[in-house]
Amino acid sequence: GAGVSQSPSNKVTEKGKDVELRCDPISGHTALYWYRQSLGQGLEFLIYFQGNSAPDKSGLPSDRFSAERTGGSVSTLTIQRTQQEDSAVYLCASSLYGQGARQPQHFGDGTRLSIL
Amino acid sequence: SQQGEEDPQALSIQEGENATMNCSYKTSINNLQWYRQNSGRGLVHLILIRSNEREKHSGRLRVTLDTSKKSSSLLITASRAADTASYFCATAINNNDMRFGAGTRLTVKP
Repeated sequence: GAGVSQSPSNKVTEKGKDVELRCDPISGHTALYWYRQSLGQGLEFLIYFQGNSAPDKSGLPSDRFSAERTGGSVSTLTIQRTQQEDSAVYLCASSLYGQGARQPQHFGDGTRLSIL
Repeated sequence: SQQGEEDPQALSIQEGENATMNCSYKTSINNLQWYRQNSGRGLVHLILIRSNEREKHSGRLRVTLDTSKKSSSLLITASRAADTASYFCATAINNNDMRFGAGTRLTVKP
């Protein structure tokens, strides 16, 4: 079966532009995470979706960042008025059930975002 | 903020040798997971060890957990060039919250 799919794989944009990153989780997975990974660093938690519950947005670094998950499946991470410090790899992960932290997470290959 | 911290930051060994990576964390956990990341790819789950477990094996991988010392180790035996990757530990503090360390970059020379 298909794994977690992210698009685009690479995105280069000018400072100040808005960007949308997409994540297609594994079919049937109810939990979805977004992370940010700066070069050579670990993962920074951004946001967590679980079913129809309100998302955990505690990791979003500023109000320029937002995410939604439509129909409990596809998720979009939006960064408005991008800044150079937003340059990073944005990773999406899904897990089968809720309580995602108790289970293995399945990751996509990420979107490498470069802000000029 | 990061919870787990891997040690060493980088490790270089010859093929066939064993590789040991350590992870320390700060708060009580539900479980601890190890992941591998090849360059330019996403993370791949390797093994999950629960807080009431002390050791777990999967193929050439052996993970230990010492909750009294708040530490875990990942041992890869008989390493191969294909094991070259970054290895991350991730700790689950509660149901939703997983924290990843900065990783150990392992290089296995053929």
